[in-house]
Amino acid sequence: DGGITQSPKYLFRKEGQNVTLSCEQNLNHDAMYWYRQDPGQGLRLIYYSQIVNDFQKGDIAEGYSVSREKKESFPLTVTSAQKNPTAFYLCASSLTSGSTDTQYFGPGTRLTVL
Amino acid sequence: DQQVKQNSPSLSVQEGRISILNCDYTNSMFDYFLWYKKYPAEGPTFLISISSIKDKNEDGRFTVFLNKSAKHLSLHIVPSQPGDSAVYFCAASAGGGNKLTFGTGTQLKVEL
Repeated sequence: DGGITQSPKYLFRKEGQNVTLSCEQNLNHDAMYWYRQDPGQGLRLIYYSQIVNDFQKGDIAEGYSVSREKKESFPLTVTSAQKNPTAFYLCASSLTSGSTDTQYFGPGTRLTVL
Repeated sequence: DQQVKQNSPSLSVQEGRISILNCDYTNSMFDYFLWYKKYPAEGPTFLISISSIKDKNEDGRFTVFLNKSAKHLSLHIVPSQPGDSAVYFCAASAGGGNKLTFGTGTQLKVEL
């Protein structure tokens, strides 16, 4: 059945290491998004992609990078330049990038940097 | 600058009663509003949305009200059920785009 998968659910890394979070969707959605959630805060947009081979920075893109080589996949790399990488990361997708297209979220990956 | 605000971090309601969750926004360009529900360690799930051309949208037990002049929206859940206990986020977008700005969430607890 269709949905968004994120793996792994929990991820631990040492400080200074880059880490890549996976996001895959089989909903045939054009648009995909990465958000970050910190305790007591709402979701903040990191990067989004409206179509394959295209992506734009969100509100907090510094220290992150993405690629969109396939429609189904939108991996997020947390680089060593990200000052506070420990957080809950959520991937989402929508049919198009229109405002009335609902964003559907994956289960999230909790990243802990030691 | 928090453009979408949920000033009540938590709300406790008895089962069967009405739950009212509030959200205020400052950006007058926002024209589409959504509510999401989130359980711990899971992704948010979409509940209901409303366009700025409307002032009310209803879906089963959930109704969203929009007061554009006050830049305020609210989510009413009637009757509240224990399974409604979760964090509720309001979100907004502007100009026909799908870049969402989220509030900080309200933890709803529905007690027996």
